[in-house]
Amino acid sequence: DAGVIQSPRHEVTEMGQEVTLRCKPISGHDYLFWYRQTMMRGLELLIYFNNNVPIDDSGMPEDRFSAKMPNASFSTLKIQPSEPRDSAVYFCASSAGSSGIGYFDEQYFGPGTRLTVT
Amino acid sequence: GENVEQHPSTLSVQEGDSAVIKCTYSDSASNYFPWYKQELGKRPQLIIDIRSNVGEKKDQRIAVTLNKTAKHFSLHITETQPEDSAVYFCAASISYSSASKIIFGSGTRLSIRP
Repeated sequence: DAGVIQSPRHEVTEMGQEVTLRCKPISGHDYLFWYRQTMMRGLELLIYFNNNVPIDDSGMPEDRFSAKMPNASFSTLKIQPSEPRDSAVYFCASSAGSSGIGYFDEQYFGPGTRLTVT
Repeated sequence: GENVEQHPSTLSVQEGDSAVIKCTYSDSASNYFPWYKQELGKRPQLIIDIRSNVGEKKDQRIAVTLNKTAKHFSLHITETQPEDSAVYFCAASISYSSASKIIFGSGTRLSIRP
């Protein structure tokens, strides 16, 4: 397997534009996570899916952010409209599941999308 | 909610010496504690993890200890090598009735001096 695939790797856009980040998880993984990484706030979990269903989106910063997972092999994170403070590296990760209630198995991160909003 | 504090934020050790990174968590219901390593410009990768029913786990030069009473866990790297230079993140995972959460520490930048 090629691992978690994210696109684009780099995105530069102007404030107010819509941005769509894409992720293909590892085949067979039931969990998909979206993270945001900045120097100021570190690594933050935005939302995660289990079997394509959003389970916890409490980390999504505001209504400008939305995430979907239409099938087991694809997910998107959309920001509309984008703002300069959204500039960050966005990681997608997938996991095979959980070994028990509350136990996440190892998460495999994608290479990330570096987003710059000017 | 859960809060994870990680110390120190930066750490510089002589090659061959040991490095210790410490994390504390707030919610005693947390039950899974992974450690991730992130090299410059790369993605985080799991290096070791520990469940709440275990006090210590070791994998070659890396070990993690967990003190549930004190609510802290530590990463120990022995015989450090240049390739250990990276940012290390601890995390704590907690389960609720309908979902689980994972909270990451703020990271420790480890530098190995030759």
